[in-house]
Amino acid sequence: EVQLVESGGGLVKPGGSLRLSCAASGFTFSNAWMSWVRQAPGKGLEWVGRIKSKTDGGTTDYAAPVKGRFTISRDDSKNTLYLQMNSLKTEDTAVYYCTTNFGHKAFDYWGQGTLVTVSS
Amino acid sequence: SYVLTQPPSVSVAPGKTARITCGGNNIGSKSVHWYQQKPGQAPVLVIYYDSDRPSGIPERFSGSNSGNTATLTISRVEAGDEADYYCQVWDSSSDPSFGGGTKLTVL
Repeated sequence: EVQLVESGGGLVKPGGSLRLSCAASGFTFSNAWMSWVRQAPGKGLEWVGRIKSKTDGGTTDYAAPVKGRFTISRDDSKNTLYLQMNSLKTEDTAVYYCTTNFGHKAFDYWGQGTLVTVSS
Repeated sequence: SYVLTQPPSVSVAPGKTARITCGGNNIGSKSVHWYQQKPGQAPVLVIYYDSDRPSGIPERFSGSNSGNTATLTISRVEAGDEADYYCQVWDSSSDPSFGGGTKLTVL
């Protein structure tokens, strides 16, 4: 059974940093492309970024609103995905979901999400 | 990025058929995926590549895609189907896009 468990969310001041983690199990993590998707309170879904598997280059892509501030990385030895968020803004306040991209185009499985609140 | 347009809300009586549309320029040439999100829960993939169902998703859920409109159809609607539904496209030439979401109300 695929499981994705996010952690690391919390309250942070504007301009601050936070690192989210996503522990994965139930599938071969090293072969999987992974994404982060966020949802602001009462709003819709917004893709944040993706990391490919190392065998496919391990490259990353980001949505325009977070490019240059957020970094996605992975540790295949720990089956863990990360999202490093720097220079946080109030508009980054959202629930952040870790997702799989087995077919590369859809978000197959989702974690339960972790809430990030950016406020002074 | 590619713009996807969904109606904000759809209402249907139990046992009837609900149709939720997703509009986009020539969307019929792209692959569309659908997600169900119940209050306080994470989204769940219910249809992928226009019309395929993941294991565990009831046959009552189906999808189609042609021209400028993709459609998620839910037959014999049940109270438990009440949720927000999102369509999504991921072109190879652009970032993935989500529709704004449709709230399905079961009357």
